[in-house]
Amino acid sequence: DAGVIQSPRHEVTEMGQEVTLRCKPISGHNSLFWYRQTMMRGLELLIYFNNNVPIDDSGMPEDRFSAKMPNASFSTLKIQPSEPRDSAVYFCASSSGGRDEQYFGPGTRLTVT
Amino acid sequence: QQPVQSPQAVILREGEDAVINCSSSKALYSVHWYRQKHGEAPIFLMILLKGGEQKGHDKISASFNEKKQQSSLYLTASQLSYSGTYFCGSSTDKLIFGTGTRLQVFP
Repeated sequence: DAGVIQSPRHEVTEMGQEVTLRCKPISGHNSLFWYRQTMMRGLELLIYFNNNVPIDDSGMPEDRFSAKMPNASFSTLKIQPSEPRDSAVYFCASSSGGRDEQYFGPGTRLTVT
Repeated sequence: QQPVQSPQAVILREGEDAVINCSSSKALYSVHWYRQKHGEAPIFLMILLKGGEQKGHDKISASFNEKKQQSSLYLTASQLSYSGTYFCGSSTDKLIFGTGTRLQVFP
């Protein structure tokens, strides 16, 4: 299996622009997680889906952030409009169950100038 | 609440042992341990599902004290490849990662 796939790997954008991050989970996994990692705040859970349904989005920082999972093999995390404080590494992870071991994608390093 | 890990950082020589502790203010359903190398994604190490459970592979093992809401990760005879940041994850209704412990192993 190819593992969790994320794109793009790096994104540099200007403040105010829309940013879309993409994730393809491991086939057969029914739970998907979006995390944000910064030096200051560590590894934060933003939102997680189970069977394509958002279960907990309490970690989503603001209304500027939204996430979708239209099918079992694809999810997006969108930031609109982006701000410099959104600069971070965003990881997507999947697992076979909400409490099972998680497999992380390589991450997207986002820089907002 | 985010689990608190101690120590925050450890420096070792190859062959030395280390213990990383993870403490939660909330009751734990299970505990996960992950290692992240610089510039890479976290990699799953092990999961402990119930109090009293101990697990290990190679020279890395862990224990879970459910009553104390604590877990410890034991690294024995450390190798250069053990360097990285270790995270525990406390699982109740969702997985919350701890504050992290940076481990550096030198020759």
